[in-house]
Amino acid sequence: QQQVKQSPQSLIVQKGGISIINCAYENTAFDYFPWYQQFPGKGPALLIAIRPDVSEKKEGRFTISFNKSAKQFSLHIMDSQPGDSATYFCAATVNDYKLSFGAGTTVTVRA
Amino acid sequence: GAGVSQSPSNKVTEKGKDVELRCDPISGHTALYWYRQSLGQGLEFLIYFQGNSAPDKSGLPSDRFSAERTGGSVSTLTIQRTQQEDSAVYLCASSPGRAVSAFFGQGTRLTVV
Repeated sequence: QQQVKQSPQSLIVQKGGISIINCAYENTAFDYFPWYQQFPGKGPALLIAIRPDVSEKKEGRFTISFNKSAKQFSLHIMDSQPGDSATYFCAATVNDYKLSFGAGTTVTVRA
Repeated sequence: GAGVSQSPSNKVTEKGKDVELRCDPISGHTALYWYRQSLGQGLEFLIYFQGNSAPDKSGLPSDRFSAERTGGSVSTLTIQRTQQEDSAVYLCASSPGRAVSAFFGQGTRLTVV
């Protein structure tokens, strides 16, 4: 049973476009929501993370939007570049213990 | 080493055989995690070691799976009597304490034929 539901499964975006990945959760005890980026043949790497008392966090071209009442959060990749082509995972944790991951979204940025 | 090292990187085994997967964490990291990544399924938590505490084995899918961590460093994940549904990428991660900032290895791709 997946505690974090992620969509879409894959997306294709043109260079310079915006990639949007959505996640939803049910467990209100979750208190930290990270996103990971994974390139083929590599392990996931932490990209950006947010706590539920913040509605938005931006780091460079990556922005997390968080809607606590809807129990949803999303990753926006602005000005998408071919180097952003990867699989992105949302995740959630309670007290920074073990992570519950979404199923992943494969992003392809076309030049 | 510079990062988390896993071996082998690929393993093909026959159904019913036992396999051992190894993880060398970053030196000094007290926390070590094993995850399983199946196609289209995301990452599934298997087991968590923290210092000298009893490991959290709540994610192990069956009693065919076991793991140990010797001397607070190297960890071995053992799968006995492998089944085809065990085919997946097994990822190890280590952290100085926090799950979110754990560093992942490149994984071991296990194929059971």
